[in-house]
Amino acid sequence: SSELTQDPAVSVALGQAVSITCQGDSLRTYYATWYQQKPGQAPIVVIYGKNNRPSEIPDRFSGSRSGSTASLTITGALAEDEADYYCNSRDNSATVIFGGGTRLTVL
Amino acid sequence: QVQVVESGGGVVQPGRSLRLSCAASGFTFSNFGFHWVRQAPGKGLEWVAVIWYNGINKYYTDSVRGRFTVSRDNSKNTVFLQMNSLRVEDTAVYFCARDGCSGGTCYLGDLWGPGTLVTVPS
Repeated sequence: SSELTQDPAVSVALGQAVSITCQGDSLRTYYATWYQQKPGQAPIVVIYGKNNRPSEIPDRFSGSRSGSTASLTITGALAEDEADYYCNSRDNSATVIFGGGTRLTVL
Repeated sequence: QVQVVESGGGVVQPGRSLRLSCAASGFTFSNFGFHWVRQAPGKGLEWVAVIWYNGINKYYTDSVRGRFTVSRDNSKNTVFLQMNSLRVEDTAVYFCARDGCSGGTCYLGDLWGPGTLVTVPS
């Protein structure tokens, strides 16, 4: 089966922009979904499809894809954005794979 | 309100079985597929299984195929995960997540439960 690779940790200064990447062959076919998870909580979706946000997610979150790499960008990071971020995609038409996750620290 | 809630977790000895439940409410259950996703302590998310809305199509990650079975009861608005031959490495919080669609795009997890902890001690 395929794999999705994420950097284990990323940091960003308060108010600055940051991109979190996810690399894998499946992303050439399927869009990534991005999740935010805070300690002790279930994940929530922040980006799905080409670049769609659930209504409750602020517009500083955006997604993009280039080749086999998907990116989640936070423009103007806030302290509340400090969390673990995961990507996933379909592996084939039926199964799903997750990336290993990226811990975002807001300095 | 719209929600899914998992139950059935606990401590179980290696080789034994456990059945998890995911009870849904507030929406038309039979229209949706559901995934099980697990997270070992201090680790990342791992997809486990999916059952489509029709209850016929079911898929599993390699490490649980043949040991775990996903099913659903539309009369009870509940999804189940039967876990047999449990291993130490199955220790995790197990989340139930709805397969949602919006604007023609479908994705895992437009709705998540709080999770239930399964512990298989060594």
